[in-house]
Amino acid sequence: QKEVEQDPGPLSVPEGAIVSLNCTYSNSAFQYFMWYRQYSRKGPELLMYTYSSGNKEDGRFTAQVDKSSKYISLFIRDSQPSDSATYLCAMSVGNTDKLIFGTGTRLQVFP
Amino acid sequence: DAGVTQSPTHLIKTRGQQVTLRCSPKSGHDTVSWYQQALGQGPQFIFQYYEEEERQRGNFPDRFSGHQFPNYSSELNVNALLLGDSALYLCASSSWGGTEAFFGQGTRLTVV
Repeated sequence: QKEVEQDPGPLSVPEGAIVSLNCTYSNSAFQYFMWYRQYSRKGPELLMYTYSSGNKEDGRFTAQVDKSSKYISLFIRDSQPSDSATYLCAMSVGNTDKLIFGTGTRLQVFP
Repeated sequence: DAGVTQSPTHLIKTRGQQVTLRCSPKSGHDTVSWYQQALGQGPQFIFQYYEEEERQRGNFPDRFSGHQFPNYSSELNVNALLLGDSALYLCASSSWGGTEAFFGQGTRLTVV
């Protein structure tokens, strides 16, 4: 079993839809949770960073962490074709520790 | 701010050869981590450098080695290349004690 599980998709939605992306994990020691966006043949771009449980909002993006269920989510409101990319969840135990990534979910937003 | 820069962008090598990849961290960052990303997979941690020392290492063989220079830039060396080493190699920079890691655009290595 992988430490971090993520549905690879692809997830295809119409422009303007609300997108929900999720990851589950098995290591209860994880405390730092991140979401990265990766366009084809590019490096990952940090979107959201959350420490421990709770919600964090930044523009159209909301990150949620439920440590009791070992489940994290990223919501994208009013999705745009430019949001089409692979979304990677990542997490770590300590603040300087290695990041453990999910496999990534490929999102396609069509006009 | 130039962000994290990696060179070269693409590289083709033959099995058995050796390769060196380079990374300059984001301005103000002192910690460099290297990741390998196979096609369709998430990045896998190789190792991390801080104060010119390897601080953490992932599950990669000794063929993978690295170095950090006094200006915080870093190199990743891979010896005796295998076909399975073909991947996107990513460098991430951060501040020691901080959590937010910023990635470069990667070096795509193809081993033939």
